[in-house]
Parts: sequence; C-alpha cells; structure tokens
Amino acid sequence: KQEVTQIPAALSVPEGENLVLNCSFTDSAIYNLQWFRQDPGKGLTSLLLIQSSQREQTSGRLNASLDKSSGRSTLYIAASQPGDSATYLCAVYNQGGKLIFGQGTELSVKP
Amino acid sequence: SAVISQKPSRDICQRGTSLTIQCQVDSQVTMMFWYRQQPGQSLTLIATANQGSEATYESGFVIDKFPISRPNLTFSTLTVSNMSPEDSSIYLCSVVRDSTDGYTFGSGTRLTVV
Repeated sequence: KQEVTQIPAALSVPEGENLVLNCSFTDSAIYNLQWFRQDPGKGLTSLLLIQSSQREQTSGRLNASLDKSSGRSTLYIAASQPGDSATYLCAVYNQGGKLIFGQGTELSVKP
Repeated sequence: SAVISQKPSRDICQRGTSLTIQCQVDSQVTMMFWYRQQPGQSLTLIATANQGSEATYESGFVIDKFPISRPNLTFSTLTVSNMSPEDSSIYLCSVVRDSTDGYTFGSGTRLTVV
C-alpha cells in the first residue's frame, strides 16, 4: 500500500530565504507526482507535475525534483515571500489514477 | 488544464439534513473524483464518479451516505446525507484529462454541521 510522508509538518522562515520541502513515498512504481498549494479553507492549486520519466520541473521560483529509485521528491522555493505562506501537499499516483496525498507542510514566511 | 466550478463554496447545515455539492468542468473528462478533507487532515478519496455507471466508492464510504450523480462528461454532484457534526469538512472534486495534464481541483466546499 502506497504511503506518502512529508517533512517537516510545519516550517517558519523569514522572507527571502530559500527553502526545501521533502516528500517520500514507499512504492516507487508511481506514474506521476504532483505538488499542490492549499490556502486555508480553500481548494488545491497545482504547482508542478513531474512525470515518472522526468527528474525535475521548474516554474518561476519553484523547482521540484523526483528520484523514483529512492522514493523521494523535493520542492525548492527560492527567495521566499509572505505570499508563499500556505500548506504544500505532495501527491503520487499510479497508472490506476488514484491520488495518494501526504499530510502536507504548513509554510509560514515572515515579513 | 481543466477549469472547475464548484458550488456552494461554504454552507452551515443542521444535523439530519442533506447537502448537494455540484462540480461543473469546462471540458469533457472521463473520470471525476470526490475528496474529503477533515479539519487538520490531508485529503481522502471518497469515490470516483463514472459517466454512465455507478460511482466506485473507497473503503469506509457508502452510497447511502454519499450518493453521487454523473449525468454527463462535464458535471457531477455529491450529496452528503443525514449529516452529523462529524461530516464537517472541506469537500473537493477533481478531474484529470490526461497524464501530461495532472489533476485539477475545484475550489472546495467548506461544510459545517451544527
């Protein structure tokens, strides 16, 4: 049974810092991995999708990497801003299509 | 990516009543998914809504409590029936068009049962 773990559960940083969020999964036979952002009480916004054949994806200040063999992904946020404060969720899915989510990392960026 | 309109965005309901949540997608999709997010928790899949057939429910979720309709390839509803305070959660619908597109989520329905 696939399990997804995110570390840390919560993170508080001063504005301008670079930071890394971690995601690990137990079954390396994944199809894709997706990072989401969730603001309090809201839906999910997709940040980056990494297909199983890819090793990383970049969008603006965000960079996500994937190492299937070790069951790990990282989300790197450069030059963090207060507007980046949110919960970041990692999710994996196999070819059957069901998303399995981690518990999320709650990020707070202080001005 | 697909664009999803989810309604209502929030509601406060009396215990014992039912609430129907709607999701409208801007393009045809084969599968739509319904998730629940309890306070302080991550997302849990309730069921997969299939067009032309009954929904497929995950372990711990039953059709009598969470009936789902999927009348066409762009629309689905989830009903939360006979509500209790334990049903207070955020409910989200999601779709995926193809493997290169990733999943798209609706804006969520924040339900409070009193």
